[in-house]
Amino acid sequence: GAGVSQSPSNKVTEKGKDVELRCDPISGHTALYWYRQSLGQGLEFLIYFQGNSAPDKSGLPSDRFSAERTGGSVSTLTIQRTQQEDSAVYLCASSLESGLAGEGYSPLHFGNGTRLTVT
Amino acid sequence: RKEVEQDPGPFNVPEGATVAFNCTYSNSASQSFFWYRQDCRKEPKLLMSVYSSGNEDGRFTAQLNRASQYISLLIRDSKLSDSATYLCVVTLPQRGYQKVTFGTGTKLQVIP
Repeated sequence: GAGVSQSPSNKVTEKGKDVELRCDPISGHTALYWYRQSLGQGLEFLIYFQGNSAPDKSGLPSDRFSAERTGGSVSTLTIQRTQQEDSAVYLCASSLESGLAGEGYSPLHFGNGTRLTVT
Repeated sequence: RKEVEQDPGPFNVPEGATVAFNCTYSNSASQSFFWYRQDCRKEPKLLMSVYSSGNEDGRFTAQLNRASQYISLLIRDSKLSDSATYLCVVTLPQRGYQKVTFGTGTKLQVIP
């Protein structure tokens, strides 16, 4: 079946402009995550959505970053007034469910990412 | 202390060698554990889940030691195609959901 889909795959923008990154999770997956990864670095957690619960926004680096998830499916990550340090690959992942106890937690499936370059 | 720690490597090993990576986690309440593989400039992909009883998938064996709070990945008979960064992943129950934390990864380079 279809995997996690992200668009655009590449985005070049000028400093100060706003950008929107889109993520279409695997159908039926209720949990959705956004991460970013700078060149040669590990994954940095940004935000998590689970069903109708309030999202965990604890990883958003500043108030220029926001995300929403409409209808429990597609998610959009918005970066306002982009800065050069925002340049990174932004990865979206989804999983079947969350909040389970024990070892049965459903693993994350990643999209191909959006490579953002701020000039 | 970081929630999840890994030796960044790189581990440079010859083809056919056996190599092992460890990953430690700080919170004893952590519940689920995974190993992911990430190729250069690609997204992470699930390699295998890690169970308390230990589990094996072909040349790959994963083990979990809850008492010492570490997980391990053993790769036997290394292939050139095993060259990648291996990410340790730990979940922790938090406010009604499982928070997922990635380690920074261990880089493996298999040499001909």
